Amino acid sequence: GAVVSQHPSRVICKSGTSVKIECRSLDFQATTMFWYRQFPKQSLMLMATSNEGSKATYEQGVEKDKFLINHASLTLSTLTVTSAHPEDSSFYICSASSRGGSSYNEQFFGPGTRLTVL
Amino acid sequence: LAKTTQPISMDSYEGQEVNITCSHNNIATNDYITWYQQFPSQGPRFIIQGYKTKVTNEVASLFIPADRKSSTLSLPRVSLSDTAVYYCLVGDIRGGSYIPTFGRGTSLIVHP
Repeated sequence: GAVVSQHPSRVICKSGTSVKIECRSLDFQATTMFWYRQFPKQSLMLMATSNEGSKATYEQGVEKDKFLINHASLTLSTLTVTSAHPEDSSFYICSASSRGGSSYNEQFFGPGTRLTVL
Repeated sequence: LAKTTQPISMDSYEGQEVNITCSHNNIATNDYITWYQQFPSQGPRFIIQGYKTKVTNEVASLFIPADRKSSTLSLPRVSLSDTAVYYCLVGDIRGGSYIPTFGRGTSLIVHP
């Protein structure tokens, strides 16, 4: 159980285009989903936290107008990278939790999406 | 702010026990400690989670001293397939919400 999927797994796009990444919890209801970005040889950096039905909370330095997050249901969250540029090329990973703001907060991670902006 | 410190890298050999220690001096009173494994170009995979003392599952053990300012992940009898980056994760509570904070991770290389 506790499977999280991401789609697409890999995307290559031209500079200036927008890219949507989907994150789905397949066998549980995710009250909270987290979006991370990971550059090569670096750790995961939290971008934003999204709770179903409410606006996402963005970490400092993350542009909310550039990285649009929608968490419309308990099983789906989307991250849209608007007007992507080469510096947005990265590995984007989502995670889902059924426990929300609880301190006992096991996250289940998706397989990640490799974004390359030409 | 919750912050973790781990060794950047470790080397081991097949069949040996590996212990990776993470320090988290500012861990919140009610926060759990979670360890993840990550292979290149994959999402992290849950290994083990604990609050205090010792936790054991089929793949690892987690030792947490009474002051909870550190934790040690123990991998018994590692194999080549255990070569990966290992992260310990604690969190902050901000505005009533849990904010996970990953450290830099420990790159474990298992040699034949």
